[in-house]
Amino acid sequence: GDSVTQMEGPVTLSEEAFLTINCTYTATGYPSLFWYVQYPGEGLQLLLKATKADDKGSNKGFEATYRKETTSFHLEKGSVQVSDSAVYFCALSDANAGKSTFGDGTTLTVKP
Amino acid sequence: DGGITQSPKYLFRKEGQNVTLSCEQNLNHDAMYWYRQDPGQGLRLIYYSQIVNDFQKGDIAEGYSVSREKKESFPLTVTSAQKNPTAFYLCASSRSGTGSYNSPLHFGNGTRLTVT
Repeated sequence: GDSVTQMEGPVTLSEEAFLTINCTYTATGYPSLFWYVQYPGEGLQLLLKATKADDKGSNKGFEATYRKETTSFHLEKGSVQVSDSAVYFCALSDANAGKSTFGDGTTLTVKP
Repeated sequence: DGGITQSPKYLFRKEGQNVTLSCEQNLNHDAMYWYRQDPGQGLRLIYYSQIVNDFQKGDIAEGYSVSREKKESFPLTVTSAQKNPTAFYLCASSRSGTGSYNSPLHFGNGTRLTVT
């Protein structure tokens, strides 16, 4: 079945540091890939997505590239801010499965 | 504005009581989902529905029940058979049908259930 493996957290960075959160996946078909963000006490919000190989999703300074050869979708940001502190989830949606599969989430804390 | 409304935000129940969590959406989405989130863990799928009057069990359906009588509503009942019901419950929706698998999920703000 489908699965998503995320880099274990928590991750603590200083403001303006470079961020990478690794995500790899296993899927039987050709999935779409997503990053969601969850702020404390809230639901998840879509951060970015990519629907086919070599697509790059981007939003609010975050980027991720759909790498079919390495089955990866790593999240990056060049300069994090305190307001980026949240839990980040990598997920895939497979047309065959009809539902999404999530990673376990990575907690990011950015210190001033 | 379109969105998903979950109510209440906090819910307290005594052990042995059934409790129903509300989820309403005005996004005109066909598909709706219920997830459970425990501290420090990812999301686990409880039930999902691709269309009105039809739903499927997810990975952890035991002790839960749902109904989908209207497109806008997908209530979740946590029964007394659920052994560890205290958790954060998230409802989501998405477009359904051919080509919709690249559509993201839209989430509500969750209901935190505490059973003592």
